[in-house]
Parts: sequence; C-alpha cells; structure tokens
Amino acid sequence: QKEVEQNSGPLSVPEGAIASLNCTYSDRGSQSFFWYRQYSGKSPELIMSIYSNGDKEDGRFTAQLNKASQYVSLLIRDSQPSDSATYLCAVNKGGGADGLTFGKGTHLIIQP
Amino acid sequence: GAVVSQHPSRVICKSGTSVKIECRSLDFQATTMFWYRQFPKKSLMLMATSNEGSKATYEQGVEKDKFLINHASLTLSTLTVTSAHPEDSSFYICSARGQGDEKLFFGSGTQLSVL
Repeated sequence: QKEVEQNSGPLSVPEGAIASLNCTYSDRGSQSFFWYRQYSGKSPELIMSIYSNGDKEDGRFTAQLNKASQYVSLLIRDSQPSDSATYLCAVNKGGGADGLTFGKGTHLIIQP
Repeated sequence: GAVVSQHPSRVICKSGTSVKIECRSLDFQATTMFWYRQFPKKSLMLMATSNEGSKATYEQGVEKDKFLINHASLTLSTLTVTSAHPEDSSFYICSARGQGDEKLFFGSGTQLSVL
C-alpha cells in the first residue's frame, strides 16, 4: 500500500466551478498535512497546511482533514485557468525530523 | 513564506563529471534541509536529510558516495552528484525547514541533464 495516494487525473473543471482534490494516507500516526501546487518544470509551492480535523479556509482554498478516515482534501472555489497545475498532497509523520512524504499529485485542468 | 535559493537552475554535463548544486535559506536559519529528486510526471522522492553540522541521512537505495551532501552552515547545503551518468538526469529540488517549523519551503529546483 502506498503511503500517500492521489488520483493522478487529469481532473478537468470548468472555470468558476469548485475543484475538489482528494488524498488518502496510510500511516495513522501522521500529524501534519500539506497541499503544494507545482507548475510544470517548477518546484512545489506551499498552499495550505492543516493539522487538526475539520476545515481550514484561506481565500479560495479550503483544506479538509478527517483523521479517522485518513483522508485530506483541497477545495478550490471559483476556479481560474491559472489554477491549472499539479497538486501534491504531503504528509509528515511528526516529530520534526522527517521530510514530507508526497503523493504523486493530481493534474488539474481548469477549462476556460 | 521563507525564501530558499537554489543554484544552478539548469546544468548540462558530460558523463563522468561531477556537479554541485547549492541550496541557501535566505531569510531564516535552516536547521534541516532535504534533497528530493523528481523524474518527469513522477512524485517527489526524498533522497536525503541533512542537519547542520552532522552527516546526512540517506533514504534506502540512495548511494551516499555518489550523492555527497554537505550542510556546513545553517543557511547552506550542497548536493554533489559525483561521476554523473545519463540515468542521473532528473529534477533535483532542495527544501528547508526552520527550527520548530514543520512547513517545508522549496528551492526553485535544478534540472540536470547528463549527456
């Protein structure tokens, strides 16, 4: 079983709609969760971090965490063509000493 | 967010040569730096973790004698790919974390092409 799983897509969403990205993880001891956006040929850029169950909103982005079900999601409201990118889910087991474990990413396409 | 600078952004070298990549945290002290490698359309793969002043910890399957990591100061870590071969061609990305912070901030990446 892979540690962090994401649907690779592509996920196609019309402009202005809500894009929903999902991620599941296998280690119940995971404590910190992150969403990164990566444009082709570029390095990842941190969008959101979430540490406790529930929703966390930042502008058009909302991260949702459910530790009991071991999933974390990212919602993008009012999707824009500039949101087209690969979105990486990353999990940290905690303790501060480890690097993040990344999923393969979901390729999101916002259609104008 | 914090700024991490990585150089060079792109390098082309002949097989058998060594290439050094630098990663600097510009506005914070990075107690821990991580080196990742990413092949096209694949996920980021952690290669090694380096802590300032100590030896790097390498992930399983990563040759420590081939990928030399030095973290001599709180703001600089280097990755040297020794005796590079075409299969080493990849996108190498460094990331840094400040003390007490779980967020990772990434450098801009280095695209290595070995001919």
